[in-house]
Formats: sequence, structure tokens, C-alpha cells
Amino acid sequence: AQTVTQSQPEMSVQEAETVTLSCTYDTSESNYYLFWYKQPPSRQMILVIRQEAYKQQNATENRFSVNFQKAAKSFSLKISDSQLGDTAMYFCAFMKLPIFGNEKLTFGTGTRLTIIP
Amino acid sequence: DAGVIQSPRHEVTEMGQEVTLRCKPISGHNSLFWYRQTMMRGLELLIYFNNNVPIDDSGMPEDRFSAKMPNASFSTLKIQPSEPRDSAVYFCASRETPGAQPQHFGDGTRLSIL
Repeated sequence: AQTVTQSQPEMSVQEAETVTLSCTYDTSESNYYLFWYKQPPSRQMILVIRQEAYKQQNATENRFSVNFQKAAKSFSLKISDSQLGDTAMYFCAFMKLPIFGNEKLTFGTGTRLTIIP
Repeated sequence: DAGVIQSPRHEVTEMGQEVTLRCKPISGHNSLFWYRQTMMRGLELLIYFNNNVPIDDSGMPEDRFSAKMPNASFSTLKIQPSEPRDSAVYFCASRETPGAQPQHFGDGTRLSIL
């Protein structure tokens, strides 16, 4: 079974600074997908970024980027130029190769990020 | 495009009552997921459907919980009888298969059982 670990329950950073959220996972699969979801106080679950394990290039979405280290089974999220709207709970999630019956997401316990004005 | 639509947004009811949560997935998405989120247990997958067929219901807590997907655009999660420990936020998500498509979540239903 897969496990996802987020070792930082809470973090805070000043507005405009850069922050990195850590995520490690355990799997015996060689191909899989990783995601970061954001849950603001409004409780929506919003996809931030995704990474396919067979791609060596780290994914980037505007101010959000990942550092994917497949051998180390690490998938950290970097938020640059942080904004007040980035205040949220962030969840790391793992999905096996989504063949039939294999579409479940395994979530970490989350990191609560607060951006300080 | 409309996202995943869940109703109601909030539900407060007394213990023992039947509760029905509803979900409309994104059009064209053929996988649908029901999750429960609590402080103690985080996000738990309860059940998921592919092409309206239940694929994995191993997360359904007990017989009081049931889920149906009568067609591609509608699913329900029912709790009967409800108990205070069922209080949680329930999310529905949908996904387009195949490939690396992510799950898209609804806004959730906050359920409080008194």
C-alpha cells in the first residue's frame, strides 16, 4: 500500500517570501502520478500542480513549482512570491497508474500554511 | 464549465434520521469518488464508481452507508440511520479517464448530526 507523509503540520511565512512544503511517499510502483491540492478556508479542494513520475522535468504552474526526486521519493512544493490568498491547507496526493480499478488518490495529512501580511 | 456540484452545502439533522447527499459530476467524466474529511482521520475515500459501476467500496464505514450512481450525471451517498460520529465534510470528486487526469472536487457538504 502507498503512504504519503507530510511532516510539517503548520508553516507560516511573510507575504512575498518563498516557502517550500515537503512531501515524501512510499511505493513500489515505477509509474505513478503526484498532485498538490490546496484547501482554503472556503473548504474547496483545488488542484495546484501535478507531476507524472516518468517525466524528469519538474512541473511548474506560475508561482508554484515542484522539486520531484524520484529516487528519494520526495515531492516538495515551492511557492514563490507568496500572497495572502495562498493561505490554505495543502495536501500532497499519490495516484498509481490509473488503469481500471486503480484511480484512488492517497492523501497526506496536510500542511497548514499561513501567509503573514 | 460547471464543476462538480454537490448538495446540500450544509446539513444539520438529528441522530437516527436518514441523510442523503447528492453529487453531479462534470459532464464527460466517467469516474466519481466520495470522500469524507474529519480532523481525526483526514481525507478518506469511501467509494468510487467508474462508468456508474462501483469499483471499490472498501472505505465505506459500515452498512449504514450506501452509495448509488443511477446514471452518468448523478450520484447519492445515503446514511441511514445517522449517528453523531458521521459528522464530517463529505466531498464528491470526478475524473475523466483514461490518462493522468486529476480528480476535480465539489465544494463539499458539511454534515452535522446532533
